[in-house]
Amino acid sequence: SQKIEQNSEALNIQEGKTATLTCNYTNYSPAYLQWYRQDPGRGPVFLLLIRENEKEKRKERLKVTFDTTLKQSLFHITASQPADSATYLCALDALGGGNKLTFGTGTQLKVEL
Amino acid sequence: GAVVSQHPSWVICKSGTSVKIECRSLDFQATTMFWYRQFPKQSLMLMATSNEGSKATYEQGVEKDKFLINHASLTLSTLTVTSAHPEDSSFYICSASPGTSGRSEQFFGPGTRLTVL
Repeated sequence: SQKIEQNSEALNIQEGKTATLTCNYTNYSPAYLQWYRQDPGRGPVFLLLIRENEKEKRKERLKVTFDTTLKQSLFHITASQPADSATYLCALDALGGGNKLTFGTGTQLKVEL
Repeated sequence: GAVVSQHPSWVICKSGTSVKIECRSLDFQATTMFWYRQFPKQSLMLMATSNEGSKATYEQGVEKDKFLINHASLTLSTLTVTSAHPEDSSFYICSASPGTSGRSEQFFGPGTRLTVL
């Protein structure tokens, strides 16, 4: 069956360090992968999209890699700040297309002073 | 940028009543909108795809007669939870994509917290 796995345990890091979050998937051949941020009681906010033919994408302090051989994406936040504390979700286009997304369970990140 | 609004942001209702949630794309047209449900500590689960001018497409296990979706215009989709019961209490979130090719990011509404007593 199809699975999208993110580290279910919360990730605590110190301010200024780089946070690295993992998204692994099985039984998918996604054309693209997206990362979202979700704060408590709010809807997700789009961060980055990376396509299957792209290895890496950057946006300010964010970097995403996509390895279709390993079936894995890594999401990095450099120079992390307490304001980066949130839950981060990866999402893949579901089989059948139509822009339908399937979300991972999310990883909660806490950046401490 | 692309903004999606939802109304109401929260609602409390009695068991057996119906609740309507509106989702609007404020600065773009969306031929397709999506409705998700999220239980505490869980991820978003797609309920249905709302298509302007046609019937919604429901995911497996979602009762179409219980969750009525109407996509009245290119900027408005509504979800009506009919005869709500306590197990329907959840966080309902809609999203829309301004992309016409279908492969682009989705913009989410702020969500509606439904509590059924």
